[in-house]
Amino acid sequence: DSGVTQTPKHLITATGQRVTLRCSPRSGDLSVYWYQQSLDQGLQFLIQYYNGEERAKGNILERFSAQQFPDLHSELNLSSLELGDSALYFCASSVSGGVTDTQYFGPGTRLTVL
Amino acid sequence: GESVGLHLPTLSVQEGDNSIINCAYSNSASDYFIWYKQESGKGPQFIIDIRSNMDKRQGQRVTVLLNKTVKHLSLQIAATQPGDSAVYFCAETYSNNAGNMLTFGGGTRLMVKP
Repeated sequence: DSGVTQTPKHLITATGQRVTLRCSPRSGDLSVYWYQQSLDQGLQFLIQYYNGEERAKGNILERFSAQQFPDLHSELNLSSLELGDSALYFCASSVSGGVTDTQYFGPGTRLTVL
Repeated sequence: GESVGLHLPTLSVQEGDNSIINCAYSNSASDYFIWYKQESGKGPQFIIDIRSNMDKRQGQRVTVLLNKTVKHLSLQIAATQPGDSAVYFCAETYSNNAGNMLTFGGGTRLMVKP
């Protein structure tokens, strides 16, 4: 158990819908990261937050957005869902978000778009 | 549930043998490298890391080797056990104007035969 929690574990929805994925980092970690893992793209970095502010942005679609709240939990919002958005979404956390910080991953949310 | 691609390269070893998993990374500016292990239905789990100013680092039963000349990383697992069966990812971290980016390789599936 990494100490990172994600809810829900599974999510099934329809195309065009909007969903919110939630992540709670390890106690004491200030930085949160979101990743997408799909069969054809592997693990892709989406976005990073540090203490409530966006720190780095990767291959995140404009339909996707995220935020980190004052209590340091984070939410990833996915809108206008398409079939290709079906994937595992992982959240990770680290102490300070530095380059050499170890990132600890949560168990993931499996999103299925029908 | 299965969490990674179905067409990963696979390494099959006998229990007790040593395993070597290889990875080619892409960015010569990368300064930090990590190996992660991902078991079915779980998030990636940190195994070992190495900075770019080192060429070898040892952990418990694992050794990471870095060859910057040919941009190659390897993970050696001594006395492989059934519990080592998983998908192994190398990851590289570098900084650009978008922030610190962690980029994952495609993964190798390790199967340990009892």
